[in-house]
Parts: sequence; structure tokens; C-alpha cells
Amino acid sequence: GQNIDQPTEMTATEGAIVQINCTYQTSGFNGLFWYQQHAGEAPTFLSYNVLDGLEEKGRFSSFLSRSKGYSYLLLKELQMKDSASYLCAVEAGGFKTIFGAGTRLFVKA
Amino acid sequence: GAGVSQSPRYKVAKRGQDVALRCDPISGHVSLFWYQQALGQGPEFLTYFQNEAQLDKSGLPSDRFFAERPEGSVSTLKIQRTQQEDSAVYLCASSPRNRGETQYFGPGTRLLVL
Repeated sequence: GQNIDQPTEMTATEGAIVQINCTYQTSGFNGLFWYQQHAGEAPTFLSYNVLDGLEEKGRFSSFLSRSKGYSYLLLKELQMKDSASYLCAVEAGGFKTIFGAGTRLFVKA
Repeated sequence: GAGVSQSPRYKVAKRGQDVALRCDPISGHVSLFWYQQALGQGPEFLTYFQNEAQLDKSGLPSDRFFAERPEGSVSTLKIQRTQQEDSAVYLCASSPRNRGETQYFGPGTRLLVL
């Protein structure tokens, strides 16, 4: 079956660093996405990993280990506007993209 | 417009009614996806088009759901004889080519079936 696990909620303080983990078991794997979704809005793209390792993009970094079926999203210098849901998604076999349920991040002052 | 647009943004339907949801992808994008998102959940894949060809419809929950993209641009998701469990946000996304591409999402259609 297809399964993507990520924590339901996390809370962090403004200016801090937070790591959101994602583990996956899918029938195929072409790549892994992270999306940000504010309440009532559409998901927006953050990162895409195909190969193992860390990809850094400004305050956001994403890591992938294909052998472990594991990824994380690292957010640095947290800002209040980073309060949102973060969706881990695997581009599985065929044309299907499988999304996790999302991690709701609350950033407090 | 520059982004993906969807209409209507909100739809209230009586149980048993048919509904049609429209998606205008970014011009020139080859790939188009439909997703269903329940409250507090991630988007769930429904179907995929590459140009006008529907290459994957494995996520459509029943034969009451039907999608088309006849000219390879605008797409319509139709739900016949709506039921309460169909209440969700329906998201459309497009991408320039096929695999390994960022998917650009529309704002979604929030469907409420009473």
C-alpha cells in the first residue's frame, strides 16, 4: 500500500529552527515534494528531492534518504507567517502524487 | 491570468444533484491533476491528464465522478448524484510537462452537499 507519515502538529518559537519529518512507503518513487498550505488556500511548492542529500533554498532546506524512506523539511529563522500546514508528497509510480495528511506548524512569539 | 483558476469557488448542492467544477490551468501546461481534500487532510489524487489524454483515473472514488479535458486546456470534473461524503475541497493543479515538475495549484472549489 501507499503510506506517508508526518506529525500532526508542531509548535515552535519565532526565530528558532524546526524540523518536520516525513516517512514514506510507496509502490514506486520518482521524487519527493514539500508544499506549504495556509488555511483556506492552495498548496504552494517549497522543494523537490530526487537524490539523497540536503537541498538548501534560503530559510528552507529539505533532506532525502531513499534507502530509509525518510525526508525532513528544515525551517530556519522562523517567522509568524510560517504558521501553516506542511505537506510531504511522493511522486509514486505512474502519474500519481501521494500526499501525507500534513503537519500543522504553529509559530509563537 | 498567470495562475491556475477554478470556478465556482464555492458550491452548495442538494444530495442527488449533479455538479460541474471547472479548472483553467496555466497556459501551455501539459499536465493537469485533480485532487480531493477533506478537512484536516492532505490532497488525495483523483485523476491525471497529459494534454487531452486521461492517463490515470485510478483515484476517482466511484463511477459518479467523471473528468474531461477535451482540448488539452480547460478541464471539468463532474460529480453525478452528489452525496454528503462528496463534501470536500476539489483542487486542480497543472505542471509544464510531466514527472518531476512543480505542480501549481488553483484555489480550489469548496463543495458542500446537504
